[in-house]
Amino acid sequence: NFMLTQPHSVSESPGKTVTISCTRSSGSIASNYVQWYQQRPGSAPTIVIYEDNQRPSGVPDRFSGSIDSSSNSASLTISGLKTEDEADYYCQSYDSSIPYVFGTGTKVTVL
Amino acid sequence: QITLKESGPTLVKPTQTLTLTCTFSGFSLSTSGVGVGWIRQPPGKALEWLALIYWDDDKRYSPSLKSRLTITKDTSKNQVVLTMTNMDPVDTATYYCAHRPSATHFDYWGQGTLVTVSS
Repeated sequence: NFMLTQPHSVSESPGKTVTISCTRSSGSIASNYVQWYQQRPGSAPTIVIYEDNQRPSGVPDRFSGSIDSSSNSASLTISGLKTEDEADYYCQSYDSSIPYVFGTGTKVTVL
Repeated sequence: QITLKESGPTLVKPTQTLTLTCTFSGFSLSTSGVGVGWIRQPPGKALEWLALIYWDDDKRYSPSLKSRLTITKDTSKNQVVLTMTNMDPVDTATYYCAHRPSATHFDYWGQGTLVTVSS
């Protein structure tokens, strides 16, 4: 099975942009869609990006997702950072043998 | 409006079997393509997918936990049940159930239930 590795934490000031990476250990990142979940303290995860770059209704367009085959990684970018964006973020993907693999998680701190 | 809620014991002893129930509304588990999954999260740690049951009763399990897990559904009651055998303190976690609308992701999650394994 493959793993999805994320940076442990990132921090930035309000109004700035942060990018979180999600690197797949084996298999092509482009072969299977990547999703991103936000988890605020004490709450269940909520999805912010699905199928690499699709935003569910209600998710602001400050959130965007992308794939980089050269680094075999996916990225979540949050622009115009707000204090309400402070949370843990998890990527998730799959392959033919395992339907769900979650990343290691990244804590986003808004300074 | 889709909602899910987990229920079950908050405390189990080592070696016991854990049984958790996910009661949902707003969708039918007999609708083609739909599934319900279980995910857990130890305190301060990452999410871990455990099991998934599909509308057609197909089931998938985490390879690392497959021997200990069983997932079933009762479509008439709108419930999904997860059992995990031989519980250990390392299984202490918040357990979530979630709705799967398609092959890629979970779009609605329950609030989660904290299960502590201790003697």
